[in-house]
Amino acid sequence: GQNIDQPTEMTATEGAIVQINCTYQTSGFNGLFWYQQHAGEAPTFLSYNVLDGLEEKGRFSSFLSRSKGYSYLLLKELQMKDSASYLCAVMDSNYQLIWGAGTKLIIKP
Amino acid sequence: KAGVTQTPRYLIKTRGQQVTLSCSPISGHRSVSWYQQTPGQGLQFLFEYFSETQRNKGNFPGRFSGRQFSNSRSEMNVSTLELGDSALYLCASSLGEGTFEQYFGPGTRLTVT
Repeated sequence: GQNIDQPTEMTATEGAIVQINCTYQTSGFNGLFWYQQHAGEAPTFLSYNVLDGLEEKGRFSSFLSRSKGYSYLLLKELQMKDSASYLCAVMDSNYQLIWGAGTKLIIKP
Repeated sequence: KAGVTQTPRYLIKTRGQQVTLSCSPISGHRSVSWYQQTPGQGLQFLFEYFSETQRNKGNFPGRFSGRQFSNSRSEMNVSTLELGDSALYLCASSLGEGTFEQYFGPGTRLTVT
């Protein structure tokens, strides 16, 4: 079957750096997405990786290793507004998105 | 550019009833996907429509159906509602070709009593 694994919850301190990991096993691979979802709101797009390596976008970076079925989202200079759930999703060979259950990130002052 | 809109935002129904949810995608987007989100389960894919055709389908029973109109607006129908159908239903639109970034609507919160 298809599976996306990510930690359920993480806690970090304002101003620090946090890395949220995602491992996947899917039927084919057409890219990996990271979304941010604040409580009670819809998910919003953060990043898309289809090739190995690091993609940097401001305070957020996303890394992909296809051979290891592994990705991480790196958040730098954490702000209180970064408290949210972070969803990892993989597009399989049928171009269908398979979603992880999400990682709830709690930022403490 | 206007975002994805969903109506209604909140809905309370009784077991056994049926419900229709509506989604209007971003102008120019031809793909609409529907998801069910429940606490602890994450996003569960229901189906995707592209140019009025169902292109992908998740593992949900036949009580869940959908359609897409020529203007790309989409509707989702759930018949014979069960208590377990209580969830947030999200739709997401994308161009559907060449780029797969999805833009989500605010969702419809369905409560079945």
